[in-house]
Amino acid sequence: GAGVSQSPSNKVTEKGKDVELRCDPISGHTALYWYRQSLGQGLEFLIYFQGNSAPDKSGLPSDRFSAERTGGSVSTLTIQRTQQEDSAVYLCASSSHTPNYGYTFGSGTRLTVV
Amino acid sequence: AQKVTQAQTEISVVEKEDVTLDCVYETRDTTYYLFWYKQPPSGELVFLIRRNSFDEQNEISGRYSWNFQKSTSSFNFTITASQVVDSAVYFCALSEANRGFNKFYFGSGTKLNVKP
Repeated sequence: GAGVSQSPSNKVTEKGKDVELRCDPISGHTALYWYRQSLGQGLEFLIYFQGNSAPDKSGLPSDRFSAERTGGSVSTLTIQRTQQEDSAVYLCASSSHTPNYGYTFGSGTRLTVV
Repeated sequence: AQKVTQAQTEISVVEKEDVTLDCVYETRDTTYYLFWYKQPPSGELVFLIRRNSFDEQNEISGRYSWNFQKSTSSFNFTITASQVVDSAVYFCALSEANRGFNKFYFGSGTKLNVKP
């Protein structure tokens, strides 16, 4: 596609429920990233996928968070047993080269846990 | 320790004023990249500039200019003759060679309000 597409744009869920957030990167981009932006905060790195390599999961805050990328394209970030502190905007980005060229970000999914 | 510090949480200026957004970074790498991103109210982050650690030449793009000084570990961003459309949150970011440039460290952002 023309840009990085994320869905849903907004998600309200009850505490304890599982949620899935989807990211569709720019076609041909081999690198995909998930970041989290809490209210009034900067961006917190979560996970990085590059081609067929093992993902860098070093930023995932707990084992309730997981992500996968199928067929080197679409990625799903799953949060199990959501907590109120998970409320944030989850941003996905993709890159065609090594990331020093800069990412292209999606518009994000605003997750609210009530 | 914060790798990227944006000490200015929020700045308000009147249209046509010049404004400088500060960014101070910390790294042990000699090879790294610095970035600025703009996040307008719509939420999508927009790439503005990339600068590598070996290039300290200042850059100007229209009303935007960037001052990179390794001696002070700073990468400041100046908007000349600000406009209402410049209102956004601006993020400075760092990527390092020892992480394969794969992980960006973002500052906490500076919210710029430009009033008419």
